[in-house]
Amino acid sequence: GAVVSQHPSRVICKSGTSVKIECRSLDFQATTMFWYRQFPKQSLMLMATSNEGSKATYEQGVEKDKFLINHASLTLSTLTVTSAHPEDSSFYICSARRGGISGNTIYFGEGSWLTVV
Amino acid sequence: GESVGLHLPTLSVQEGDNSIINCAYSNSASDYFIWYKQESGKGPQFIIDIRSNMDKRQGQRVTVLLNKTVKHLSLQIAATQPGDSAVYFCAENDQSGSSASKIIFGSGTRLSIRP
Repeated sequence: GAVVSQHPSRVICKSGTSVKIECRSLDFQATTMFWYRQFPKQSLMLMATSNEGSKATYEQGVEKDKFLINHASLTLSTLTVTSAHPEDSSFYICSARRGGISGNTIYFGEGSWLTVV
Repeated sequence: GESVGLHLPTLSVQEGDNSIINCAYSNSASDYFIWYKQESGKGPQFIIDIRSNMDKRQGQRVTVLLNKTVKHLSLQIAATQPGDSAVYFCAENDQSGSSASKIIFGSGTRLSIRP
């Protein structure tokens, strides 16, 4: 079964509103989680690295004030898309690393489809 | 920044034949590479990985080859089956940043199986 769970799997929101996506590691503690965005027929693009208890590290070109990441516990990271616009519609995927910074076992969630209307 | 792959080609293979999916990477400092399979609307699924101190690793029906000299990675799928239809991504473990290492994805290849 899945070891990383995302919720919701699909969400539709109105333009200008904010939407939160959760990523949970189900049977392990993840000090590091990652958020990706994937547009149709394209690859996964890393948005940010979510670090438990500290600020997220954003990739170049990703607006940190628009994509708020909170990693409040060792099993939960949230991505909040603020003031969503239709161009934010995408497939958002999280992953979690088991074993800390030096560990290389990474599990991916099943993704969350966001549609902004 | 450095990237792995740049476009999404399609590979069409006859059922039962072997498939070879290729990937070029650019970060010579990467020490770990992974192949993922992604079916439509789902998250990536781990297939096989290889560390930079190896040049070949075999799994069940899959083999990964690593050529560090030309920074090339390939995935071989033996006796391709209809269930192998998906998009395949190579990925690398990027340790170049100051924070924890991260997995960077290549552009992917769509594998299509002909009956």
